Amino acid sequence: AAGVIQSPRHLIKEKRETATLKCYPIPRHDTVYWYQQGPGQDPQFLISFYEKMQSDKGSIPDRFSAQQFSDYHSELNMSSLELGDSALYFCASSLGITGEREQYFGPGTRLTVT
Amino acid sequence: AQTVTQSQPEMSVQEAETVTLSCTYDTSENNYYLFWYKQPPSRQMILVIRQEAYKQQNATENRFSVNFQKAAKSFSLKISDSQLGDTAMYFCAFMKLNRGGAQKLVFGQGTRLTINP
Repeated sequence: AAGVIQSPRHLIKEKRETATLKCYPIPRHDTVYWYQQGPGQDPQFLISFYEKMQSDKGSIPDRFSAQQFSDYHSELNMSSLELGDSALYFCASSLGITGEREQYFGPGTRLTVT
Repeated sequence: AQTVTQSQPEMSVQEAETVTLSCTYDTSENNYYLFWYKQPPSRQMILVIRQEAYKQQNATENRFSVNFQKAAKSFSLKISDSQLGDTAMYFCAFMKLNRGGAQKLVFGQGTRLTINP
């Protein structure tokens, strides 16, 4: 079965640079979530989209922005990167209304800021 | 706001033994889902089992089962006949259930489970 695809899998950036993370949800899934997992921590919710509209917002810095496109893929844009942004970024997808609500996670993008 | 607490940072058992991971949560909501996710060394987040709060029957998936006590706000995971491949970090997660749209997961701190040969 098709899974959530994230690209790139690994990304190394310098402080103050910009990064773009991409997420391709499971086919027919209309909802996308972004989570950030720091070293030794549990995943923290950043932002979600349902039918291409922002649905909920968590502890996402103002330096970050995201959107969901017409084909339901999503991109997380991160600017003015800081050392503390180094983390594993997960995208998850689900069926928003009609489905069983389970969120299926992608493999994650490991971002290292040097 | 909802909170999820996993009071066991680490656990270790022998292969083929049964192990129970604890999870408690705090919410004023009546409709919600609870999940257990597994994160092996590959760091992939894998859904293990789901429980709807309105269902009294405990969920079961092969060797994995839960003990859901709604009044006590407790949601423990039992792994029977543990296998080496069960070695992973296990996260308990809460999701509020609304009419539609996206609902975020709130995770506990995780329990690192090691299965020894």
